[in-house]
Formats: sequence, C-alpha cells, structure tokens
Amino acid sequence: DTAVSQTPKYLVTQMGNDKSIKCEQNLGHDTMYWYKQDSKKFLKIMFSYNNKELIINETVPNRFSPKSPDKAHLNLHINSLELGDSAVYFCASSQSRGRNTIYFGEGSWLTVV
Amino acid sequence: GIQVEQSPPDLILQEGANSTLRCNFSDSVNNLQWFHQNPWGQLINLFYIPSGTKQNGRLSATTVATERYSLLYISSSQTTDSGVYFCAVPRGSSNTGKLIFGQGTTLQVKP
Repeated sequence: DTAVSQTPKYLVTQMGNDKSIKCEQNLGHDTMYWYKQDSKKFLKIMFSYNNKELIINETVPNRFSPKSPDKAHLNLHINSLELGDSAVYFCASSQSRGRNTIYFGEGSWLTVV
Repeated sequence: GIQVEQSPPDLILQEGANSTLRCNFSDSVNNLQWFHQNPWGQLINLFYIPSGTKQNGRLSATTVATERYSLLYISSSQTTDSGVYFCAVPRGSSNTGKLIFGQGTTLQVKP
C-alpha cells in the first residue's frame, strides 16, 4: 500500500497544453503539500492544504491551481504549460502543520517540449 | 528568511566507510527533518529530530538547536546509501508546515 501516491509518474507534453497531476494519501493526515524540484535538485514548496483549506500559496503563477476535494486528495492543475514548468512535482502529507514527519509521494516528472 | 546550508555538497565514499553530513540553519527552529532521495528520485524521510540524537540502524542524527546545526552520520556505508541527502526546517515560527530545504549533499558509495 503506497502511503502517498501520485499520477502520472511521467508526463511529456507540449507548450500551451493544460495538464493535471493527481495525489492521494491513505495515512489519514490532515495536511497535504505540493513541492517542486528543479533541475538542480532544489526543493521548494508550492502549496499547502489543511483539511481542504489553502494554507500556503507560495508565489506560484496563477496558471497553477491546486484543488482539494477532500483531505485525502490534493490535485494540481497547470494551464498553458511553459518550458520552465519542466520539473519534478512532489505531493506530500503530514499529520498536521509544521510539527510532524512529512511523507512524500514518488514524484511526477513533467517535461514540457 | 531562514537559510539552510548543507556540507559537503558532494561526497564519494568507498563501501564500508563512515561519513558525517552537516546542516546549518540561520534561525531558531522547532523541528528539523532529514531526507534521502534515492537514485530513482524517491524522497524518504529519515529522521524528525528537533533536538538530541536519534538512531536508526546504521544512520544516526544529532541536532544541536542552540547552535543551529544538525549532523547525519552514516556508518559502514553501502551502495544503497547513494543519493542526495536533504535537511529541512520550518520557515519562521508560524505553524504552516512550510519546510525550507537545504541544497542537499550528493553521496556516491562505490563498491
């Protein structure tokens, strides 16, 4: 049983397209996150949701829109993809905000051509 | 904002050797986490260690919060230890869950 699962794992798409990455956690955690890892391996938070409520929106372009239908799911939709969006996107979850171990999904490799 | 610096940036070891990775942070924190990203890209949480010392098999970690650093010890390294090791601390005192990651230490263990 995968604790934090995200799909798809690999995604190659053309500039201008719209794509979504789905994430689900079966840990019963209240908080979920999206992180972006660039080509230099630098990890940076994009969004955080706590019980479906947006907590962090870290100066991410409006083309990125997270959606949390329930506390076990946090999806990421990206409009009008650009070359610079190519990265690995990690979903993660923790029991609550800030004071608990964070668990990551396996990552979604997005390549925009 | 808080700065997180890791050293060394790269490390090459022969299998069986021991190593110490360091994480310095610029402000007081209420927790610190160590992660291992394996060559397949998977991020695994190793330790949640706001202070003190914890051990898990061949790995141990020590955080000295008053001096703003943490150390990750790897003993008797194995090729499966290869990958990138990150430390991460929360931003500021607000309980948002936002973690600031260091730039990582890339470890290669040779057989």
